[in-house]
Amino acid sequence: DIQMTQSPASLSASLGETVTIECRASEDIYNGLAWYQQKPGKSPQLLIYNANSLHTGVPSRFSGSGSGTQYSLKINSLQSEDVASYFCQQYYDYPYTFGAGTKLELK
Amino acid sequence: EVQLVESGGGLVQPGRSLKLSCAASGFTFSNYYMAWVRQAPTKGLEWVASITNSGGSTYYRDSVKGRFTISRDNAKSTLYLQMDSLRSEDTATYYCTRDWPPGGFDYWGQGVMVTVSS
Repeated sequence: DIQMTQSPASLSASLGETVTIECRASEDIYNGLAWYQQKPGKSPQLLIYNANSLHTGVPSRFSGSGSGTQYSLKINSLQSEDVASYFCQQYYDYPYTFGAGTKLELK
Repeated sequence: EVQLVESGGGLVQPGRSLKLSCAASGFTFSNYYMAWVRQAPTKGLEWVASITNSGGSTYYRDSVKGRFTISRDNAKSTLYLQMDSLRSEDTATYYCTRDWPPGGFDYWGQGVMVTVSS
């Protein structure tokens, strides 16, 4: 199975700040990576697919990058509505696997 | 508008069975792979199983292989998850998701809680 190591586990940032979340795969996943946002009590929402493609309706302050085994999600100009947990997921191969998540809070 | 509505959750004793359903609407169900993803209380996301658009192929995580069965009825636009020999570690919110061809799960249901406890 492909292991996804996500960091940090938690993050505190101020409004307007830029934050970055990292995800490392245990083997090359050839950009088969998605990022999700999950707010408390809600279902996850797709933000990024194919490592760097913004899903429909997602604000442009979100961006994804990376290749091979290393990927990252960047949020520019943090807004209050971005407080949530974020998960990466590889879909290059079954079993699909998720990172453990990053809880983003406001400082 | 795409909608995925799960049902069938509840409290069940270890070793017993439960069947989840997911009614899909707002898109051509038979064109899409579908999946179940679960989330234990205060934990992360865990992929459970996927099924191709025709239902001809299925995929499972090792911990549920042989106990869970994913299936679909394209005429009814409904996805199912038959869960047998349930264990306490299966306790979670189960989400029905649409597997979007470019990648990732683009629509999620509201989730249904399954609690396995005596």
